Amino acid sequence: DQQVKQNSPSLSVQEGRISILNCDYTNSMFDYFLWYKKYPAEGPTFLISISSIKDKNEDGRFTVFLNKSAKHLSLHIVPSQPGDSAVYFCAALGETSGSRLTFGEGTQLTVNP
Amino acid sequence: DVKVTQSSRYLVKRTGEKVFLECVQDMDHENMFWYRQDPGLGLRLIYFSYDVKMKEKGDIPEGYSVSREKKERFSLILESASTNQTSMYLCASSLVGRWTEAFFGQGTRLTVV
Repeated sequence: DQQVKQNSPSLSVQEGRISILNCDYTNSMFDYFLWYKKYPAEGPTFLISISSIKDKNEDGRFTVFLNKSAKHLSLHIVPSQPGDSAVYFCAALGETSGSRLTFGEGTQLTVNP
Repeated sequence: DVKVTQSSRYLVKRTGEKVFLECVQDMDHENMFWYRQDPGLGLRLIYFSYDVKMKEKGDIPEGYSVSREKKERFSLILESASTNQTSMYLCASSLVGRWTEAFFGQGTRLTVV
């Protein structure tokens, strides 16, 4: 049972445009959400997070939006840069999962120069 | 800076061999995790540990065991390697707490032939 889903395996955008990566979850006990970025042959690195008491969190070019009623979150990257090309994972934490992160399948973002 | 170090970047082992993957973190984190990453499946939790000598099964523990004799070190053991255990293995650590991110090592690409 996939509790965190990223339905788009890949996304391709032009440099300078907006990248929007989406994530859906089914477990209503999740209350903290994170995005990780992963380059090939490297471990994931933490990018940005949001708690369920907020609906938006911004850090430079990266903004995460949370829609609790729809159980949906999205990561916006503006403007996109070629160095943003990587796999992006959505992850969630909740009261019942403790410190165990539940990850989505990942979305491969390619930013074309 | 948190550092999570995995002992090998690449490993090639034969079917039936016993395989040890080692992970060390230097930030005195209580939690340590082992994930595997496979295309289209995201990161799946194998085992985690919230204290020395304590461990809990994750989502896919079959064929694996773990050892945590010291707080900074968490080992993943493949008792008898099989070809379906060919994967990218990722170690992570985190502080105890509800809303905290995990820090990952660089990963070990294991190939079982």
